[in-house]
Order: sequence, then structure tokens, then C-alpha cells
Amino acid sequence: EVQLVESGGGLVQPGESLILSCAASGFSFSDYWMTWVRQAPGKGLEWVANINQHATEVYYVDSVKGRFTVSRDNAKNSLYLQMDALRADDTAVYYCARAVNVVVSAIPGYWGRGALVTVSS
Amino acid sequence: DIQMTQSPSSLSASVGDRVTITCRASQPIGVWLAWYQQKPDTAPRSLIFAASSLHTGVPSRFSGSGSGTDFTLTITNLQPEDSATYYCQQYNSYPITFGQGTRLEI
Repeated sequence: EVQLVESGGGLVQPGESLILSCAASGFSFSDYWMTWVRQAPGKGLEWVANINQHATEVYYVDSVKGRFTVSRDNAKNSLYLQMDALRADDTAVYYCARAVNVVVSAIPGYWGRGALVTVSS
Repeated sequence: DIQMTQSPSSLSASVGDRVTITCRASQPIGVWLAWYQQKPDTAPRSLIFAASSLHTGVPSRFSGSGSGTDFTLTITNLQPEDSATYYCQQYNSYPITFGQGTRLEI
């Protein structure tokens, strides 16, 4: 069974940094693209970033470019989101997700439960 | 960026009904469209990819169609557990973008 468990969320002040982690199990992590999607309170879904199997292709939504960095450690079956210079509008639940399959790679097929990040002074 | 517009924003239906949600892209995206279901305070669930392919474990009551700029999600024989918000998403090009969501009340 595919399992994705996010951790590292919490309350931070504007301008601070936070690292989200996603522990993957139940599949061969190194075979799949991974995705971060976020959802601000009461709002819709927003794609944040994609990373390919060996981190040679990484894509971001414009609003986080230069501030967020997605990475992965295939030996640890883990995905990360380094978030710097956080702003109030980064407040959201952040979901880690695995690609549908090895062919349909750009979009989520399996989701974690999410981690809440709150940016507030 | 490709804008995705869903309609309606919300709808109400009854058990056993058939409902259709539409999604329009601001430019052609081929069949590179996905649909998701989200219930309150839970993670999204993947329903459909490539416009019409059902994700593993999704009931056949759900179906998707369309290509180019116009797409539909159809749910037949509505069940109480189908009450949720539904999102479309294009993945033809980066940045990947979602529609604003359609809230379905049963």
C-alpha cells in the first residue's frame, strides 16, 4: 500500500524558514515523480512543485520560485520542501503526492494527509 | 499560464441523480486533464487522468470526457458519499494549474 506521511509543519514568523519532509513507503520511491500541492485555508488546490526520479528536472509555481526548493533522497525514500522567506500567503496545508504511475508522471495519483504551515507574527 | 474554469461553482443533487461538471481551459491542452475529489478536512483523491482514464479503485459511476479546451466529469447514480468538492487540473504545460473547484451537495 502506498503511504506518504508529511512532517515538519508548524507556526513560523514571516521571513523565517521551514523544511517539510515526506516519508514514502509501499512502493519503489526512486521510480516515481513526486509533487507538492498546497491548499490555503478555505481555498482551492494549488500546485507547488514537481521533481523527477533523480532530481534532474524540477518545476515550481512562480509564486515560490527562488524561495522554495524541492529535493529528494532516494536512499531514505524521502521528499523534502525547503521553504525560505516565508510569507503570510504561504499559509496552507501542504500535501506530498506520488505520480499516478511511471508513465503518467506530472500529476498526483496518491496523496499524503498533509502538513499545516502557518506563517504569522 | 493556462487558466482552468469550472462550472458550476456549486450544485445540489439527489441520490440516484446524474450530474455533470464542466471544466474549460484557456487554451488547448489535448487530453492532459485530471479530476480530483476532496471531502472536508481530508486529502484530495485522484479520480481521472488523461481526461477519461479512471484511477485505480474509482467506481465506474465516475467518467470523464473531452479534449482540447472543454472537459466534463460525469457522475451517475449519485451516492451520499459523492458529496465533495471536485477539481480539474491541466498538466499540458507548466505551471500546472487547477480549476477553482465545484462543490457538490447530495
